[in-house]
Amino acid sequence: RKEVEQDPGPFNVPEGATVAFNCTYSNSASQSFFWYRQDCRKEPKLLMSVYSSGNEDGRFTAQLNRASQYISLLIRDSKLSDSATYLCVVTDSWGKLQFGAGTQVVVTP
Amino acid sequence: GAGVSQTPSNKVTEKGKYVELRCDPISGHTALYWYRQSLGQGPEFLIYFQGTGAADDSGLPNDRFFAVRPEGSVSTLKIQRTERGDSAVYLCASSQGEDTQYFGPGTRLTVL
Repeated sequence: RKEVEQDPGPFNVPEGATVAFNCTYSNSASQSFFWYRQDCRKEPKLLMSVYSSGNEDGRFTAQLNRASQYISLLIRDSKLSDSATYLCVVTDSWGKLQFGAGTQVVVTP
Repeated sequence: GAGVSQTPSNKVTEKGKYVELRCDPISGHTALYWYRQSLGQGPEFLIYFQGTGAADDSGLPNDRFFAVRPEGSVSTLKIQRTERGDSAVYLCASSQGEDTQYFGPGTRLTVL
């Protein structure tokens, strides 16, 4: 079983719509949580950290549910430029980053 | 400022050959990480340096893989006797302590 699991998608989203997706993690000792964004054939870039109380960054909202061990990302008012793969990342017991395989989002005109 | 740089951007080699991949971290970043990303997967941790020493090399798949960071800045990932299964994108990241990791553009390694 993978440490971090994500629905690979693709999620096809009309421009302006809202899309949301989750990831689950297996290590209950994980302390830090992130969403990274990766464009095709590019490096991953930090989108946002995820805090226990939930947090927003513009059109992006992240939530953490420690009891059920899942993290969510919601994108409002989707833009064409939001098309990318979104990587869910948690730290292991030693602080190392563990990546999910990514969820692909395709925003269509 | 300058981000993490990696060279070469692409490397094609034949099975059994030796390759070196270079990473130049962000100036002043003490921590440096190597990851490997196969098609359709997320990056997979290989090794982590704090300064010159390898603090954690638990992700190296076998003894054909080795990495150094002799002066605490540039790092080289070395792969001996390459195999077709080594084909992947090798990503380097650096951070200031345990802060955000910034990734380089990667080296796409193809073993024929």
